[in-house]
Amino acid sequence: QKEVEQNSGPLSVPEGAIASLNCTYSDRGSQSFFWYRQYSGKSPELIMSIYSNGDKEDGRFTAQLNKASQYVSLLIRDSQPSDSATYLCAVMGTGNQFYFGTGTSLTVIP
Amino acid sequence: GAVVSQHPSWVICKSGTSVKIECRSLDFQATTMFWYRQFPKQSLMLMATSNEGSKATYEQGVEKDKFLINHASLTLSTLTVTSAHPEDSSFYICSARQGALQTQYFGPGTRLLVL
Repeated sequence: QKEVEQNSGPLSVPEGAIASLNCTYSDRGSQSFFWYRQYSGKSPELIMSIYSNGDKEDGRFTAQLNKASQYVSLLIRDSQPSDSATYLCAVMGTGNQFYFGTGTSLTVIP
Repeated sequence: GAVVSQHPSWVICKSGTSVKIECRSLDFQATTMFWYRQFPKQSLMLMATSNEGSKATYEQGVEKDKFLINHASLTLSTLTVTSAHPEDSSFYICSARQGALQTQYFGPGTRLLVL
């Protein structure tokens, strides 16, 4: 079983819609969770971090964490074509190791 | 957020030559840095963990004699690809952790093309 699992997609949403990206993890003791965005040909860029159960909002982005279900998600409201990228979920496990998912490719259709 | 730089951003070399890539943390100190490789349309692959003042820890399947890592200071790690071959052509990305929460920040990457 992989440490972090994401649906590879591709996920397509129309401009203005909500994009929902999901991630599950296996290490129940994990405490830190991150979402990175990677544009084609570029390195990953941190967009959100979350450490407590519940929702954390930053502009059009909302991260949601449910430790009991070992589930973390990212919602992008009012999706824009510029949001088209691969989104990587990352989890810091109990050994302080970072585990990345394989990424979900998002395309926002104008 | 913290800033991590890499140099060079692009390198083209002949087969058999060695290439050095630098990774710097610009506004913080990093006792640990990480080196990743990414092939087109594939996910990040962790190559090694670079530890300041000690030997790097390599992931399974990564040749430590081919990918030499030196972490000589708290702000600089270098990756040297020795005797590079066309199959080493890839996107090499470094990262460093910063702060009490150990958030990981990535450098902009170095694209290596071996002819």
